[in-house]
Parts: sequence; structure tokens; C-alpha cells
Amino acid sequence: EVQLVESGGGLVQPGGSLRLSCEASGFSFSRHSMSWVRQAPGRGLEWVADIIRDGSEKYYVDSVRGRFTISRDNAKNALYLQMNALTVEDTAVYYCAKDWGGPDLPLFECWGQGILVTVSS
Amino acid sequence: DIQMTQSPSSLSASVGDRVTITCRASQGISKYLAWFQQKPGIVPKLLIYAASTLQSGVPSRFSGSGSGTDFTLTISSLQPEDVATYYCQDYSGGPRTFGQGTKVEIK
Repeated sequence: EVQLVESGGGLVQPGGSLRLSCEASGFSFSRHSMSWVRQAPGRGLEWVADIIRDGSEKYYVDSVRGRFTISRDNAKNALYLQMNALTVEDTAVYYCAKDWGGPDLPLFECWGQGILVTVSS
Repeated sequence: DIQMTQSPSSLSASVGDRVTITCRASQGISKYLAWFQQKPGIVPKLLIYAASTLQSGVPSRFSGSGSGTDFTLTISSLQPEDVATYYCQDYSGGPRTFGQGTKVEIK
């Protein structure tokens, strides 16, 4: 069974840092790009960042570029999101998602349960 | 970056109605488009990828079409369990931009 389990969320003050982790199981992690997606309370889905299979290419939404860093450890089947200089606008549920695995294959068919990040003083 | 615009932002229809949601990309994305369904408090669910390929287990009343810049998601006969917010997503490049969502309700 494909599983993604996020951890590391919580309450942090504005300007603070947090590191999210996502443990993957049940599929060939190293053969898939991976993404982070967030959803602020009462708002729509916002893609945050993704990283290709070997970690050599990373992409970010403009609002987090320079503050957030996505990374992965294929030996540990783990995805990370280092979040620095957090603002109240970063308050959201953060999801990791299984991304591109090749042509003609589904993507984003598996999501973690989501983890809440609250930025507040 | 490519922008994804969905319309309408919300709709209300009767059970059994045919429902169509549109998604427009700011530039051509071939068929690299997915559709998701999200119910309140639930993780998003993939419905369609590659613009028109139905994900395994998704009811056949859902269908997708389009390529380039204009795409549609159709529910052929709306059911009460289809009440949700629907999102399109571009995956033609590194960024995976979502549309702003379309909330579907029962009249």
C-alpha cells in the first residue's frame, strides 16, 4: 500500500523556521518526483515546491522561493521542506504528494494526510 | 509562470444534471492537465490525468477533455456524493499550478 506520512508541523512565531518531513512507503520513491502542496484555512490548493527524482532540479512557487528549500533522501525514502522566515501567510495544512513517475502514469494520486503549520505570535 | 483559470467559481445544479467546469491555461500545456476533487476536511482525490484519462476507481460519469489551453471536466449525471470543490492542475513544467477551484453544490 502506498503511504505518505508527514511530520514536523506545529506552531511557530513569525520569522521562525520549521522543517517538515514526509516518509514514503509502498512504491519506488527514487523513481518519482515529489511535491509539497498547501492549503490555507478556507482557501484553495496551492502547489509549493517539487523536486525531481535525483534531487538535481527543484521548483518553487514565487511566494516561497528563497525562504523554503525542498530536498529528499532516496536512501531513506524521505522528502523534506525546510521553511525559513515564516509569515502568517504561510499558515496552512501542508501535504506531500507523489508526483511524476513517467509518461502515461497517474500523478498526485497519493497524498499524505496533511500536517498543520500555524505561524502566529 | 503559467496561470490556470477555472470557471465558474461555484455552481448549483440538480441531481441528474450534466455539469461542466472549464479550465484555461495562460499558455499551451498540451495534455498535461489533471483534475482533482476535494471534499471538506478530506485529502484531494485525483479524478483525471493527461486531460482525459480516468484514474482507476473513479466513476465513469466523470470525464475530461481538451488540449493546449482549454480543458473541461464533465459530470454526466450529478450525484449527491459529488458535492465538492474541483481543481484543475497544470503539470507541463516544473511548477504544478492549480486553478482556483470550482465549488459544486446541489440545488
